[in-house]
Amino acid sequence: GAGVSQSPSNKVTEKGKDVELRCDPISGHTALYWYRQSLGQGLEFLIYFQGNSAPDKSGLPSDRFSAERTGGSVSTLTIQRTQQEDSAVYLCASSLLPINEQFFGPGTRLTVL
Amino acid sequence: AQSVSQHNHHVILSEAASLELGCNYSYGGTVNLFWYVQYPGQHLQLLLKYFSGDPLVKGIKGFEAEFIKSKFSFNLRKPSVQWSDTAEYFCAVKNQAGTALIFGKGTTLSVSS
Repeated sequence: GAGVSQSPSNKVTEKGKDVELRCDPISGHTALYWYRQSLGQGLEFLIYFQGNSAPDKSGLPSDRFSAERTGGSVSTLTIQRTQQEDSAVYLCASSLLPINEQFFGPGTRLTVL
Repeated sequence: AQSVSQHNHHVILSEAASLELGCNYSYGGTVNLFWYVQYPGQHLQLLLKYFSGDPLVKGIKGFEAEFIKSKFSFNLRKPSVQWSDTAEYFCAVKNQAGTALIFGKGTTLSVSS
């Protein structure tokens, strides 16, 4: 697979539960980004990973959100104690170089009931 | 804080009509600018980008955009739209930290045949 993949494609959860969203970037891409797209809104930056550098977490909306990137490849975004306002499409992107062309995955649609 | 404004929320055109989608950004320094498109049921993909040089940039599928520094604008144009151009279009600018893109809220283009 040449593109960015994300799993699951859809996730329905109950308020208060924890969820994990996974992103597999394009092989060899050093930069990885998470964004959130809520209904009627543009894409909101969440977190950025670049190689072995400390991630830029400035976009995470609360301490319930965290992300890691293992081995410079796969990334997991974790949302603890989910709230209804967390419902959105979570998009992952990767790029060969920082802020060059970003390639987006299909997203995970999260619904919190 | 940096921001991107897309003036048109929903544009409806007939085939062969000309298109111009407005985009203004707030940052006054060196900018990297992008237009992304999301066709129905598909991933976000890059239409075109501006980093430096000729302010008129050409992208895929006959799209072009003009960077006007004095107006903080990066409007997207196409001389003659097709039904297949029906999609959502996002303007984006690299943030000052160079770690993410700041997106506008998007413009939905509907083209009738």
